[in-house]
Amino acid sequence: TQLLEQSPQFLSIQEGENLTVYCNSSSVFSSLQWYRQEPGEGPVLLVTVVTGGEVKKLKRLTFQFGDARKDSSLHITAAQPGDTGLYLCAGVRNNNNDMRFGAGTRLTVKP
Amino acid sequence: AAGVIQSPRHLIKEKRETATLKCYPIPRHDTVYWYQQGPGQDPQFLISFYEKMQSDKGSIPDRFSAQQFSDYHSELNMSSLELGDSALYFCASSLGHGTALYGYTFGSGTRLTVV
Repeated sequence: TQLLEQSPQFLSIQEGENLTVYCNSSSVFSSLQWYRQEPGEGPVLLVTVVTGGEVKKLKRLTFQFGDARKDSSLHITAAQPGDTGLYLCAGVRNNNNDMRFGAGTRLTVKP
Repeated sequence: AAGVIQSPRHLIKEKRETATLKCYPIPRHDTVYWYQQGPGQDPQFLISFYEKMQSDKGSIPDRFSAQQFSDYHSELNMSSLELGDSALYFCASSLGHGTALYGYTFGSGTRLTVV
């Protein structure tokens, strides 16, 4: 079973639409991270959230960490074709070096 | 800025052969992590090293071994290759132990194909 459940698994939208991707778990995390990965390339870190209830904004992307530090969401406003990619959440438990990924959300933004 | 360098980018091997993947971390980074990503799968943690010592172990098969050298580069050695070993292998690096909290910098990966 996956430690981190991401939903939806696939998402196809038109340019200009808004979307939200969810990352949920029954475990508490010291931090949650969001990565974006393009085919054949390594994941690229977008953001790290550490404090429960924390909200971070990166241009059109808004990241939120749940109050209980068990879940996170990524909201994209006015999606663009350049946002197309695999979005992975990753969680670190117990302040150790063990980081585990969710299964990812594959986003396609059509022009 | 220098990133994590992995070599080779692509590797084709036959079943039962051996393969060696190399990872050169960002300068001054002392911690290296290896991940395996199968087709359509999320990255699975294999193993990590801090200051040339193994620090954490994940789902690394017994047929695989890894080490970190004095210059902090790391090598993943894979023996008795199986078709199921075909995957993207990523290396990531960070500065200091216990720094997973802040996220990793990943290399571009090595695509291993076992035929």
